[in-house]
Amino acid sequence: GAVVSQHPSRVICKSGTSVKIECRSLDFQATTMFWYRQFPKQSLMLMATSNEGSKATYEQGVEKDKFLINHASLTLSTLTVTSAHPEDSSFYICSARKQGTWYGYTFGSGTRLTVV
Amino acid sequence: GEDVEQSLFLSVREGDSSVINCTYTDSSSTYLYWYKQEPGAGLQLLTYIFSNMDMKQDQRLTVLLNKKDKHLSLRIADTQTGDSAIYFCAEIAGTASKLTFGTGTRLQVTL
Repeated sequence: GAVVSQHPSRVICKSGTSVKIECRSLDFQATTMFWYRQFPKQSLMLMATSNEGSKATYEQGVEKDKFLINHASLTLSTLTVTSAHPEDSSFYICSARKQGTWYGYTFGSGTRLTVV
Repeated sequence: GEDVEQSLFLSVREGDSSVINCTYTDSSSTYLYWYKQEPGAGLQLLTYIFSNMDMKQDQRLTVLLNKKDKHLSLRIADTQTGDSAIYFCAEIAGTASKLTFGTGTRLQVTL
């Protein structure tokens, strides 16, 4: 199989604080992971591509200092939302691709972030 | 850039077939996917098709690809209430490794 675990599933934080979201591939190694953001009733917007051992590649318009991505091992990528503001409230989803397969884009269960 | 469009909403009666459509603009699409998202959850891969295929069937799911018209469809036979969800088509184009998602279609199954 190809299982991706994402934690936490739901988090509420105060404005100005930072929140870390973890994405783990449980039964495979992932050199590449992807972070998406989804607004209510909208599609997924790719934020960045996380590369193990190197810097993440951010999509146009995504602030890299705001959304810090670390991919320190082949099974873990983290997204830290720094100095969170209410407009950062959203549903964040990670995805990992199992090496050697084109269909192996497995998604985490998502994290609902609410900034109050 | 890539552009993937879907109709926003589809309502069908239980037991009928559902057909969800998707159009894309990038002619270099190599792999196309259908994902299902239930409320508050991540995405579940339903099926995928390579660009050199016209049709793929997997149990109740049938995927049709018209590469000339850049049109992809997902047919769900004998639709059940548990099929109610949002369905996204997605593509990988050329040598890129990232998915581009469609706008999503909300499928509502009524009794």
